[in-house]
Amino acid sequence: EPEVTQTPSHQVTQMGQEVILRCVPISNHLYFYWYRQILGQKVEFLVSFYNNEISEKSEIFDDQFSVERPDGSNFTLKIRSTKLEDSAMYFCANLGPWGPYEQYFGPGTRLTVT
Amino acid sequence: ELKVEQNPLFLSMQEGKNYTIYCNYSTTSDRLYWYRQDPGKSLESLFVLLSNGAVKQEGRLMASLDTKARLSTLHITAAVHDLSATYFCAVAGNQFYFGTGTSLTVIP
Repeated sequence: EPEVTQTPSHQVTQMGQEVILRCVPISNHLYFYWYRQILGQKVEFLVSFYNNEISEKSEIFDDQFSVERPDGSNFTLKIRSTKLEDSAMYFCANLGPWGPYEQYFGPGTRLTVT
Repeated sequence: ELKVEQNPLFLSMQEGKNYTIYCNYSTTSDRLYWYRQDPGKSLESLFVLLSNGAVKQEGRLMASLDTKARLSTLHITAAVHDLSATYFCAVAGNQFYFGTGTSLTVIP
């Protein structure tokens, strides 16, 4: 079964620091997504990325967030100046452009901002 | 903004019993997803429902979609302890909109 991988599994950072979360998507899947899940809460969409461009972003995805595909395979989410409320699980996900439209989630990165 | 409501939020049921989780959403969509999440883990895809009247079954779980009513259900048949988890529905629009989740506990 296809697998999405994410690194690191856990990141601890101080408030105001920059963090970069990495995702290795499934090859040949063209849609990429980032989500976050604050502990005990629902999953929240952050951004979708298609054909090396942001296709949709939520209100959460403000100027402190950015996404890149720096080398054509890895997919990164950068938070420029972390806040305490950024502490959450961050998941990346892939979706193929063909049926059955399953979305595959990575294992997640737990971000703790102190 | 598309809103997705799930109920119940918490469900405690005895092994062997049947129950249904409901997912209502506010505007039309062509895809409805169900996921399972174990504590501290990622989301596992259970079902993707693509059309009105779609029904999918896997083991003790069966999902259905009524696009006219904007309602999806996840039916659990003869629950077993291994089904204890949080279940999310999600609706695909311009974004993916997740429900609040249903925390299911199956009691022996």
